[in-house]
Amino acid sequence: QSVLTQPPSASGTPGQRVTISCSGSSGNIGRNDVYWYQQLPGTAPRLLVYPNNQRPSGVPDRFSGSKSGTSASLAISWLRSEDEADYYCAAWDDSLSGPVFGGGTKLTVL
Amino acid sequence: QVQLVESGGGVVQPGRSLRLSCAASGFTFSSYPMHWVRQAPGKGLEWVAVTSYDGRSTYYADSVKGRFRISRDNSNNTLYLQMNSLRAEDTAVYFCARCDSSGWSASFDYWGQGTLVAVST
Repeated sequence: QSVLTQPPSASGTPGQRVTISCSGSSGNIGRNDVYWYQQLPGTAPRLLVYPNNQRPSGVPDRFSGSKSGTSASLAISWLRSEDEADYYCAAWDDSLSGPVFGGGTKLTVL
Repeated sequence: QVQLVESGGGVVQPGRSLRLSCAASGFTFSSYPMHWVRQAPGKGLEWVAVTSYDGRSTYYADSVKGRFRISRDNSNNTLYLQMNSLRAEDTAVYFCARCDSSGWSASFDYWGQGTLVAVST
């Protein structure tokens, strides 16, 4: 059972906008920044979005993040086939003195 | 360019020990906190341990506390994870990751390719 809760799966068709939610608590998302990661099969995770919605070099602006209270979400606009991957949210947890991850959401592009 | 290269994984029997290494290059290693994150086969990401930039502060996940020890050698740009009393549930790909925040954060901007640890009889 992950500390942060994500839906196990999401799907969309090319060109659609998809959102993935991430629910936590006051000790993690409520108090700390949330980060989103993309993991393609057989590869290491890649940082997608910073809390201020800036993106690392190479990440398209189709990816954006938001946070409200103890929940966060990742939005992917203009969905493309190459977006098919696992997505994880993460935040520092003050009670655990370490970062916690969501269980991951498998995005399928239909 | 920034590179993180893990090594030291393999097959080990339950109860035995293993030490993982992560060789860093392309950045000032001694300026960044470093983490180990693992991923069991077919499962999600699980944070394992973190060390501050100077190695003076460390934190561990409850699942490994007392068995694993994270350390770093800033003179050789290398991160380590000493794993003792290994259990079957420690079987995973272990990634080292750089934290790009000066404070404690879940912001990992660079990851290694991972090294597989399989605990089995």
